[in-house]
Amino acid sequence: KAGVTQTPRYLIKTRGQQVTLSCSPISGHRSVSWYQQTPGQGLQFLFEYFSETQRNKGNFPGRFSGRQFSNSRSEMNVSTLELGDSALYLCASSPGGPDTQYFGPGTRLTVL
Amino acid sequence: GENVGLHLPTLSVQEGDNSIINCAYSNSASDYFIWYKQESGKGPQFIIDIRSNMDKRQGQRVTVLLNKTVKHLSLQIAATQPGDSAVYFCAENMGKAAGNKLTFGGGTRVLVKP
Repeated sequence: KAGVTQTPRYLIKTRGQQVTLSCSPISGHRSVSWYQQTPGQGLQFLFEYFSETQRNKGNFPGRFSGRQFSNSRSEMNVSTLELGDSALYLCASSPGGPDTQYFGPGTRLTVL
Repeated sequence: GENVGLHLPTLSVQEGDNSIINCAYSNSASDYFIWYKQESGKGPQFIIDIRSNMDKRQGQRVTVLLNKTVKHLSLQIAATQPGDSAVYFCAENMGKAAGNKLTFGGGTRVLVKP
């Protein structure tokens, strides 16, 4: 089976812009979770989608949003980018229960 | 890598020795625990997991121990190899009732000396 894929792998944006990141889960996995990883804060949970519904949400501002499509692919959007949004954004998929989550390689976002 | 600059605890180990990485978790209701390995420039890679009804689980060269009394988790790597150099994270999953959210520890950097 192919692993979790994320596109793009690298992205450079300027403050105030918005960005959309994409994640394709492992085939058959219905749960997709998003995480932000920074040197200062470590790995932080953003949100989780299951069957096109947001099932859980972390403590991030409303500028961070996501969605999931019927094929389980997910997108994450960040509006009005700030310098502090520079991070590695990781997507993880799992079958749907309290299972192991498998991570993609991440999208490295740099905000200038 | 992503953890450059983060003051991670570091474990230096001689190649061939055993490594023990420790993790304290926060929630006594957590019922599932996972260890991940993250190499520079890559996403976390699953190593081994354990459910709360177990206290030990073994994989290939790795063993996870769970002590629910003190909310402590450890990962033992036997005969550490240079390819084991990475940052290791423990994660706790509080199960379906809390969604599928993983809460990660801060990570431990393992450096294998040849």
